[in-house]
Order: sequence, then structure tokens, then C-alpha cells
Amino acid sequence: GQQVMQIPQYQHVQEGEDFTTYCNSSTTLSNIQWYKQRPGGHPVFLIQLVKSGEVKKQKRLTFQFGEAKKNSSLHITATQTTDVGTYFCAGEYRQFYFGTGTSLTVIP
Amino acid sequence: NAGVTQTPKFQVLKTGQSMTLQCAQDMNHEYMSWYRQDPGMGLRLIHYSVGAGITDQGEVPNGYNVSRSTTEDFPLRLLSAAPSQTSVYFCASSIGTGGTEAFFGQGTRLTVV
Repeated sequence: GQQVMQIPQYQHVQEGEDFTTYCNSSTTLSNIQWYKQRPGGHPVFLIQLVKSGEVKKQKRLTFQFGEAKKNSSLHITATQTTDVGTYFCAGEYRQFYFGTGTSLTVIP
Repeated sequence: NAGVTQTPKFQVLKTGQSMTLQCAQDMNHEYMSWYRQDPGMGLRLIHYSVGAGITDQGEVPNGYNVSRSTTEDFPLRLLSAAPSQTSVYFCASSIGTGGTEAFFGQGTRLTVV
């Protein structure tokens, strides 16, 4: 069954609002990666987190890895229309397990 | 440098037909994998390979075969297509396992009628 769950499945925000997606695993992960998939496109790597409690930032995006290495989050500050797409986490536990994804719509 | 190339981009099959989805990478990556993407299900791992001559099953391997005779190529075979295999298929490659960035192909949209 699905090892990595992600919520919410969909999120609509007004441009300028913040957005957060959460990823939870039933098992302790070796690392976690985040990908973005634009509509009609393919997943593109954003970042990888390895250490317990790790926090990384990419401009308006903040990524966190939980202390127990079972959960992670992606937070976007002040969304823009270019942020539209589906965001996936992918946790490694022997294999890579992708989350179900969060589809972000940004309303101008 | 083409990255990961998948062919075809679109395919319609009749139930029971067979076909091969092609995947090739020119980055000399050891690790290659096949995923299927269905609405609300994310990407599910079908098969993967850690190097030429070595393949293993992922989460949803039934109905699919793979082989890895060269580092560059990792074809996915559907021996007898079923409507449940209607999906978007992505091939990915990475330098290795242990948390390295995966590069995805453009995808193949397969419909089985």
C-alpha cells in the first residue's frame, strides 16, 4: 500500500497568500525529496533533505524534515502564478515512495 | 545532452495487445526506474534497475516486464494490455540510489480500450 501520504490533495489560493503541503510516512525515511510537476509536464527535482530536523530554503520555498524523519513539509510564501503545479514528496525507504501530491492553483 | 528520452508520447492499445515503452538516458546513470501516474495516486514505482543486467520489482509490477541490457536503455513491456493499465508512464534515471536527484522523461500517455 501507499507508504507516503500527502495532504491536502488540492489547494486553491489567491496570489500572494501562503501555501503549505505536508508529507507523512509510516516508516522512518533515509531522506526525502521534493518535486514539482507543471500541468502536462514531468516531475522536476526541487530539493533533498537528509538530516533529522533539517530546514532548507529556496527563495520563497521552505522545506522541513521532521525530527523523526517520518514527515516533511513544503511552505511557499506569497504565492505567484508561476507556482502553479503539483508538488510531490518522495521518501526513500529501500525504494522511493512518492506521495500522492498536492495540486496548487493560484488565482490571480 | 538529451537527458531522459521516452517514446512514444501517446499510445492507444486494444485489450490484449502488447507493446514496449522505450526509455533511454545519455547521462551514464546507473539507476533507472519506471513509474505510473494515476489521478489521486501520485507516482507508483513499477520496476527499477540499479545497473545493467539487474532489475527488481517496485510497488506495482504485475503486468509489466523490464530488462536492462545496457546502461542507457530500460524498456518497459506490456505483454497483454488491460484497461487498468491506462495511465501516464514516466521513466526516470539517477546517478545511483541513496538519495540522488531523479531526472524524468516527458512521459507516455497510454490508453487501453
